[in-house]
Parts: sequence; C-alpha cells; structure tokens
Amino acid sequence: EPEVTQTPSHQVTQMGQEVILRCVPISNHLYFYWYRQILGQKVEFLVSFYNNEISEKSEIFDDQFSVERPDGSNFTLKIRSTKLEDSAMYFCASSPPRQRQSGSGANVLTFGAGSRLTVL
Amino acid sequence: EDQVTQSPEALRLQEGESSSLNCSYTVSGLRGLFWYRQDPGKGPEFLFTLYSAGEEKEKERLKATLTKKESFLHITAPKPEDSATYLCAVAAGGTSYGKLTFGQGTILTVHP
Repeated sequence: EPEVTQTPSHQVTQMGQEVILRCVPISNHLYFYWYRQILGQKVEFLVSFYNNEISEKSEIFDDQFSVERPDGSNFTLKIRSTKLEDSAMYFCASSPPRQRQSGSGANVLTFGAGSRLTVL
Repeated sequence: EDQVTQSPEALRLQEGESSSLNCSYTVSGLRGLFWYRQDPGKGPEFLFTLYSAGEEKEKERLKATLTKKESFLHITAPKPEDSATYLCAVAAGGTSYGKLTFGQGTILTVHP
C-alpha cells in the first residue's frame, strides 16, 4: 500500500538552529500538508500546498517556517531559528486529486509516521 | 471558529465489551468528518469519512455515524488490537482543501 515517508524520524537540535524535515508524498497525490502535534495536545494544521504554492497557512506558520517542493518527489518543511516550543511531532500528509463526494469537496489525507523534533 | 470535542478522553474496555466514542463538532459548512486511528509514536491512520447527516460506514468491528452536531464511533466486541487513540477531525467550508481541525482524541484500551 502506498505510504508517505518522512525523514528523519527523530531530530535533536539546539535552540536557534535551522532544521529541515523531509517528506516523500504518495506519487500520484497533488496536495501536500504539514501538521504538528505537541506532546499531549491536538494535531494542528500548519500549511497546505498545491501547484507549487501555499494554499493556506495557520497562525502558527509564521515567517520562521517555510515549505518547498524542490523536485518532483520531495516536500520539505524548514524551521529557521528553532525555539523550545517548536518541539513536537511533525506530520506530513498528502491527498489525491480532488474528487466529487456528494458535492463536499473533502478528500482523504494520508499521513506519514512523523518526525519528532526536540529543541534543547 | 471550528471546534471538535471528543469524549470520553479515555475509555477502558474488556475484550468483547461494546461501546461508543463521541465527537461533537461546531463548524461552518461541514465538508466532511473524518475518523483516524493513531498508535503511539505513529501518524494518524484513516478509518472513515462521513459527508452528510444520516450517513453510516462500517469496517470490521467499527461503525461510524453522523448527525448534524456529532458523530459516533461504535466498537462492537473489541479486541486488544483495537487499543489506540481515535481521532475525529472536520473539514470546513471556506477553508483550503485538506485543512482539518482535530479533536483531542479518545484513548481506547481493550483488556484481554
């Protein structure tokens, strides 16, 4: 079964350093996302990406964050100048071309296993 | 603001003891309601999507139902391997495709 692959599985960094989290979405998917989950809290939306540009971003996704699809397979999340509160599990997700489902326009996201970021 | 509240926070069942998990939502224009399963240290795994009130979907021991204000995930004769955190999420109108608002989850433990 196709899956979303994320690397690294765990990264430890010092406060103020830059980190890049990498994702390989499912090959025929066109929509890409990053979510995060701070320990013990809800899964939170960060950003959605389609057609090489950001579709929507949350309040969390400020200038410290950026996303990129550098080639046809990878999707990356860059966090500049990391802070202690950036420690979380970061999930990449992807979804296929938009389908009509009773006119709802919603579709299924497939999530990766996550990258745990620990900022010291 | 879209809100999703799940109850109970934790549920402990004996193997074979059926029960239900609740997901209450407030959203402007529901595009879809999703149930995911999350195992410790893993990403959410898709279970069901429901789009309109009255809709029901089943998969093995799980059945999801939807009303205009809430969704239930019914677990019939659970087994220890059903132990996981069950997440409910909504996609709202007026947001980008694939932006989900999640509840905090229900931690289900099934004892043999």
